[in-house]
Amino acid sequence: GENVEQHPSTLSVQEGDSAVIKCTYSDSASNYFPWYKQELGKGPQLIIDIRSNVGEKKDQRIAVTLNKTAKHFSLHITETQPEDSAVYFCAASRAGANSKLTFGKGITLSVRP
Amino acid sequence: SAVISQKPSRDICQRGTSLTIQCQVDSQVTMMFWYRQQPGQSLTLIATANQGSEATYESGFVIDKFPISRPNLTFSTLTVSNMSPEDSSIYLCSVDRLAGGFGELFFGEGSRLTVL
Repeated sequence: GENVEQHPSTLSVQEGDSAVIKCTYSDSASNYFPWYKQELGKGPQLIIDIRSNVGEKKDQRIAVTLNKTAKHFSLHITETQPEDSAVYFCAASRAGANSKLTFGKGITLSVRP
Repeated sequence: SAVISQKPSRDICQRGTSLTIQCQVDSQVTMMFWYRQQPGQSLTLIATANQGSEATYESGFVIDKFPISRPNLTFSTLTVSNMSPEDSSIYLCSVDRLAGGFGELFFGEGSRLTVL
């Protein structure tokens, strides 16, 4: 089955700096890669996703890049703000009937004011 | 996006008791999912609940321990039976925005269980 690994487990950045979170996956047939943000006491929230037919997707200050050859994808957050502090989960799946999302272990991002 | 409401939001339970968690969605959805998130850990899929059929459980999870109901397209319940401290977790209800497979998963706020 799919195995998703996320590195590092914690990341601390200065407000205004950029943050990059990387994930690797094992199943070359995976074609859907979402990122979730979980704030303290809340459920995970989908913030951006990418499908395997594109290499990059942007939404304001966040972007995701995908390298299918190397089987890794990354979340990029620019101009970080304290409210970006949260746990971020990456996931992978083969989109379609009966497919299942496999989540990474999560990374705690801290943005220092 | 779907609005998902879970009850209870948190509870403290005694060992050996059972607790039923409710999940209500503001629109009809084909697939509903139940996840467990143990303290400081990632999300693990417990089962997939489809209306009108038995839930499909993942490896390591059994119906006797986690019975699920799905009476209609907007509601589901998960029961955690005969609880032990190891069951202390956040239990999350989730739905797929797109019918037929993994599109975009939306999660409820979670039900935080502490078992003493």
